[in-house]
Amino acid sequence: QVTLRESGPALVKPTQTLTLTCTFSGFSLSTSGMCVSWIRQPPGKALEWLARIDWDDDKYYSTSLKTRLTISKDTSKNQVVLTMTNMDPVDTATYYCARTLRDSSGYYLDYWGQGTLVTVSS
Amino acid sequence: SSELTQDPAVSVALGQTVRITCQGDSLRSYYASWYQQKPGQAPVLVIYGKNNRPSGIPDRFSGSSSGNTASLTITGAQAEDEADYYCNSRDSSGNHHYVFGTGTKVTVL
Repeated sequence: QVTLRESGPALVKPTQTLTLTCTFSGFSLSTSGMCVSWIRQPPGKALEWLARIDWDDDKYYSTSLKTRLTISKDTSKNQVVLTMTNMDPVDTATYYCARTLRDSSGYYLDYWGQGTLVTVSS
Repeated sequence: SSELTQDPAVSVALGQTVRITCQGDSLRSYYASWYQQKPGQAPVLVIYGKNNRPSGIPDRFSGSSSGNTASLTITGAQAEDEADYYCNSRDSSGNHHYVFGTGTKVTVL
């Protein structure tokens, strides 16, 4: 079955770089149409789409955060890594990764990890 | 700020029908997908494409679209449908960037 798990630091200091890893099983990111997305949710607030990496290594970023984000994949390890630079307390959120499928109707996130809470504080 | 706008909250009597809407320019060209999120849990995909339900999603959930508005309808709402609902689609730039809607809290009375 498909599973995804986010891992990374629970606490980062302002101005530091956050590195999160999504480790998945049950699918291959080298299969056509397979993608992985990152999404975050500040406490009590709405979901925010951050980035996506596609099977062909195309990468897409949130327009408002693209200067701070980098997404990459290691297909052999079944991992996707997201880095976010210059962290600020407003970046405190639960960060999710999700398997994303592309078909003729577009992209949709069909399996999600349980999320990891990242707090930005000095 | 999100380019997909949803009503902050709606309520529905048990067993009745509720429609949740999502408005945005990109919806004139692209489908929305819909996600249900209960407190303390990860979101769950409930509708994608024109009107497709993943395996395990009850058929009381349906999707539709007209103009710049996508809708999620729950026909015969159950107590377990009380949750936050988010739409997701491409942003209005026409590229492959995606955005989530502002979210709708559904209360089942």
